[in-house]
Parts: sequence; structure tokens; C-alpha cells
Amino acid sequence: KQEVTQIPAALSVPEGENLVLNCSFTDSAIYNLQWFRQDPGKGLTSLLLIQSSQREQTSGRLNASLDKSSGRSTLYIAASQPGDSATYLCAAAGNKLTFGGGTRVLVKP
Amino acid sequence: GAVVSQHPSWVICKSGTSVKIECRSLDFQATTMFWYRQFPKQSLMLMATSNEGSKATYEQGVEKDKFLINHASLTLSTLTVTSAHPEDSSFYICSAYAGGLARSSYEQYFGPGTRLTVT
Repeated sequence: KQEVTQIPAALSVPEGENLVLNCSFTDSAIYNLQWFRQDPGKGLTSLLLIQSSQREQTSGRLNASLDKSSGRSTLYIAASQPGDSATYLCAAAGNKLTFGGGTRVLVKP
Repeated sequence: GAVVSQHPSWVICKSGTSVKIECRSLDFQATTMFWYRQFPKQSLMLMATSNEGSKATYEQGVEKDKFLINHASLTLSTLTVTSAHPEDSSFYICSAYAGGLARSSYEQYFGPGTRLTVT
């Protein structure tokens, strides 16, 4: 059974600092790994999807890496802004999509 | 492309009543849709997999007689919470495989969610 863990559970940084969010998964037999953003009371916004054959994906200030052998993915957000405050979820896609518990991020002005 | 909608976005109902939530794929056909539940400050938990034209597959611990799923067409799946109770209050989110519109064969596109409050 796939288990996905996100550390830390919460993170508070001053504006401008880089963010590093960690995601680990126990079963490396995945099709892809996705990172999502969720604002309070809202649905999911897909940020990045890394296919199993890829090692990283980039979109603007966001970069996500994937190391299947070690069961880890990391989301980097450069030069954080208050608008980046949200919960970030990673999800590993095997025969089901398994979510981590999320990291709540607060970027202070 | 690959837009999934849900209706209603929020609903309040009295204990003992039934509530139906719709999930639609707007610009693609979805043979497989998924229903998730999210309690406050928790992550998403898969409830069931909905396959067009066949019975849904429920995850362990999810009561199929309480959470009725119907996937009658390639663009619509419904979740009916029967005899709702306050403990059923939650955020329900659906998703679908987008087939050719997706970046990956197993990419799911998510609806905006439905907040259910049972009083």
C-alpha cells in the first residue's frame, strides 16, 4: 500500500525566502507525481506533474524534482511571495492517486 | 482544456435527508471518475472509483449503500449521500482522467469541490 508523507506539516517564512517542500513515498512503482496547491475552502490547483521517466519539471518560480529510487520529490518555490501562502499537496499516481498530508505555507510580508 | 465542474459548490441539509452532488467533464469524455472526501485540515481520501456503465469500486471502509455513485454517461458522475448525518459533513471533490488532453495517461483533473454541511 502506497504511503505518502509530507514534511514539514507547516512552514512560515518571510517574503523573498526560497521554499523547500518535501514529499516521500513508499512504493516507487508510480506513473507520475503531482504537486497541487489548495487555498482554504477551495479545490485543488495543479502546479506540476512529473512523469515517472522524468527527473524534474519547472514552471516559473516553481521547480519539482523526482527521485523514484529514493522515493522522494521536492518542490522548490523561489523568491516566495505572500500570495504563495496556501497548502501544498503532493500525490503519487499508481493504480490510485495517493495524497500526502500537505504542507501549510505562510509567507509573511 | 480538461475542465471538471461540480454542482452544487456548497449545500446545507438536515440530518436524515439525501443530497446529490454532480461531477461533469466539460470538454472531454471521462470513462473513469473518482470521488474524494476531505475533512478539515486533512488530506484527500479516495472514496470510490466510478466507471461509466458499471458499478463503482469503493475503498475499504466506505459504505456503498450510504454513498451511492452513478456514472450514467461519459461526462457525468453523481454522488448521493443518503440519510446524511452531521459526521458526513465534509468537502467532496471529484476528478477524472482526461485521456488525450492529459500530460500523462494517469493524470487526474479535479473539480472545484462541494462543501456539504449536515445540520
